[in-house]
Amino acid sequence: SQELEQSPQSLIVQEGKNLTINCTSSKTLYGLYWYKQKYGEGLIFLMMLQKGGEEKSHEKITAKLDEKKQQSSLHITASQPSHAGIYLCGADVPRDDKIIFGKGTRLHILP
Amino acid sequence: GAVVSQHPSWVICKSGTSVKIECRSLDFQATTMFWYRQFPKQSLMLMATSNEGSKATYEQGVEKDKFLINHASLTLSTLTVTSAHPEDSSFYICSARGFGGDNYGYTFGSGTRLTVV
Repeated sequence: SQELEQSPQSLIVQEGKNLTINCTSSKTLYGLYWYKQKYGEGLIFLMMLQKGGEEKSHEKITAKLDEKKQQSSLHITASQPSHAGIYLCGADVPRDDKIIFGKGTRLHILP
Repeated sequence: GAVVSQHPSWVICKSGTSVKIECRSLDFQATTMFWYRQFPKQSLMLMATSNEGSKATYEQGVEKDKFLINHASLTLSTLTVTSAHPEDSSFYICSARGFGGDNYGYTFGSGTRLTVV
């Protein structure tokens, strides 16, 4: 079965600094999603990537899918307190009509 | 954009009772709905997938008689936790996928925190 591994598990960053979160799949990715979650709340859609080499940006967040489509990275530039939360990557499971998730990365921003 | 409303946002119930959680797609028709469970500091674990008008497909290890899922319409799915026990206490999140609206594929509800005492 397909598995997603996220790294790091937890991250503490000084406000204003840049950071990167990685998501590695055990199988080829056909659809990779990035979500943000605040503890005890639902998921907020950030971006979806499908094509190898694809890169998307939204405000100060950029996500990339590598050419081999087995790894994605999420990069935050000039982090702010509002960026704090749990970042989850999710992947489409072909032919199973479902999405699986990594264990998440907890991001803390120090003022 | 696509919106999924989940209700209630939190519920406390006595051990042995049943609890129903609703998941509604507000501005699109959800052909498929997903139910997840999340433990503290853990990721989302898919419990079951339901398609409108048909029986839900449960993931391995999930008791279908305990977690009853009904997807009677294109905008509503319900999860009923029957004979709840303290170990069922968790955060439950639904997700809907369908057509119409600004739907990127999977839209999540805001979750329901269930506490069984």
